[in-house]
Parts: sequence; C-alpha cells; structure tokens
Amino acid sequence: AQTVTQSQPEMSVQEAETVTLSCTYDTSESDYYLFWYKQPPSRQMILVIRQEAYKQQNATENRFSVNFQKAAKSFSLKISDSQLGDAAMYFCAPSGSARQLTFGSGTQLTVLP
Amino acid sequence: DTEVTQTPKHLVMGMTNKKSLKCEQHMGHRAMYWYKQKAKKPPELMFVYSYEKLSINESVPSRFSPECPNSSLLNLHLHALQPEDSALYLCASSQETVFGGTEAFFGQGTRLTVV
Repeated sequence: AQTVTQSQPEMSVQEAETVTLSCTYDTSESDYYLFWYKQPPSRQMILVIRQEAYKQQNATENRFSVNFQKAAKSFSLKISDSQLGDAAMYFCAPSGSARQLTFGSGTQLTVLP
Repeated sequence: DTEVTQTPKHLVMGMTNKKSLKCEQHMGHRAMYWYKQKAKKPPELMFVYSYEKLSINESVPSRFSPECPNSSLLNLHLHALQPEDSALYLCASSQETVFGGTEAFFGQGTRLTVV
C-alpha cells in the first residue's frame, strides 16, 4: 500500500516568482513512478511532470521541475516564473504494482498578479 | 486526439432513478478508470479496466455498476443512489496501467447530484 502526504493545503505565489510544493510518500515497493497532476477550475486533471524512481536525475518540464529524494521519500514540485494559468489544485501521485494512482490530499495554488 | 470525453457534464437524479455516465477515448488506450471526487478532496479510485476486463474494484457499492463494451467506451451505470454519492465522477485512460509510468488522461468529469 502507498500513502501520500501533502502538508500544504494552500499556497500562494506572486506572478513570475518561484514556488515549491511538497510531497512525501511511503511505499514498500522498489520500482514505482511519481506524478504531479494539476486540476484547474475546469476540473480536468492534467499531468504536469513524472519521475521514475530508479532514475536519480530529477525530471524537468519547462518551468516545472522536481526535487526527488528517494531515501527520504520526498517528491517536491518547483514552479519557476509562475503564471496566472498555473493557479490550480496540485496533486502528488505515486503509482506502483497496484497499477493505480494514489493521490495526495492536494495543494491549492493561488497566483497573485 | 488526446481527449477523454465524458457525458453528461452535469446530472441530477432522484434516488429511485437509473442513469448512466459515459466515457469515450480514441487514443487506443487499453486501460480505463473511474474515479469519484468529493469537493476539495483528491480523486478516489473506483474501478480499473484493463483490456476490457475489470481488474480492480475498490469495494464500491453495487449501486455503481461499470461496463466496458469495447476498448474505446466505458460506462458507469447508477441505480438507487444516495445523496452522499453526489460528487464529480472522473474517467481516465492510459496506454497501459499506470504501473508502467504511462500518463493517465482524464476527462472533465460528470458533476452528479442525487436528490
């Protein structure tokens, strides 16, 4: 079984600034993937970035990057040059042999103009 | 086409009604999922279909009945629901099950209200 903790229910950031969303998880598996999804007011869940647990190199997608600390079971998301369109609920989600995503409780991100 | 289409977008039903939610994808994905999401909460997995076969049922009450008629379609049949079943129902699909790290594509959901 996997558990996921997002300790920041709400975060805010000024436009063009950088913000980091935290996520910790617990798993007994050695091979798994980690995802960050965003859910804007349109309700559709959209993949932001993914990380393969066996890769030490942190994933990067344009303004989004992760800080993956496997030993600490930590998977934080950094958003650089924040834009108004980044405002959304962000969910951290590991997946493993259960073949399903386990979502954290989410962090509501507000971007201030 | 990277869309997962869900219909209807909104549904209001009485506790004695029978209704169905529909989900369609044309990306050739062989895994499809139903999630339930209450307000300000994360999605909770209900069912997983893999190659049109039900592979995971997360102890969902029998008043929810999934069906996968073919590889592109996923239905959720609803019968004798309770007001606490009111929620956003999300459908998703992926190339394989997400164990392989493949991206799950989500629809915009059906907002269900049970009166």
